[in-house]
Amino acid sequence: EVQLLESGGGLVQPGGSLRLSCVASGFTFSSYTMSWVRQAPGKGLERVSGITDNSGDTYYADSVKGRFTISRDNFKNTLSLQMSSLRAEDTAVYYCVKGGTRETFDHWGQGTLVTVSS
Amino acid sequence: EIVLTQSPGTLCLSPGERATLSCRASQSVSSNYLGWFQQRPGQAPRLLIYGASSRATGIPDRFSGSGSGTDFTLTISRLEPEDFAVYYCQQYGSSPVTFGGGTKVEIK
Repeated sequence: EVQLLESGGGLVQPGGSLRLSCVASGFTFSSYTMSWVRQAPGKGLERVSGITDNSGDTYYADSVKGRFTISRDNFKNTLSLQMSSLRAEDTAVYYCVKGGTRETFDHWGQGTLVTVSS
Repeated sequence: EIVLTQSPGTLCLSPGERATLSCRASQSVSSNYLGWFQQRPGQAPRLLIYGASSRATGIPDRFSGSGSGTDFTLTISRLEPEDFAVYYCQQYGSSPVTFGGGTKVEIK
């Protein structure tokens, strides 16, 4: 059974930093593109970042470019998202997702809530 | 960027009725890389349909997807109580991957 378990969310002040992690199991992690998708309260879905299987290519939405950094450790089956210079508009549930461009978004974690507020 | 427009915004139906949800793309979706997701309150999205018309693992056959190019449809043949939720379409054929704004299916 595929499982994606996120952690690291919480309350942070504007301008602060936070690191999200996602531990994957139940599939060959090193073979798939992984993504972070967020959902602001009461809003729709936005893919904010993605990374290919061997970390050779990364994607960032314009809204987070230069502030967020995605990485993965294929030995530890872990996906990470380092977030800095956080803004109120980054407040959202962040989902770890197996999938990417031309790859189905077929498994989602339960999400971790990031709240940016003073 | 491919913009996906879903309609209607809200669909009010009764259990047992048929639901038809639309997703229109601003340009042709590459190789029909079009997906549909269901999201129940407080839960993560769940993949229903990929490749415009293929059901994901474990998805009941009352869910079906159709369409090509710029016009796609999700049909729920007979609504069950657990089907009242928000549905999103997504194109994943070209970067950036984009999602539609969602259609809420609520009980009439």
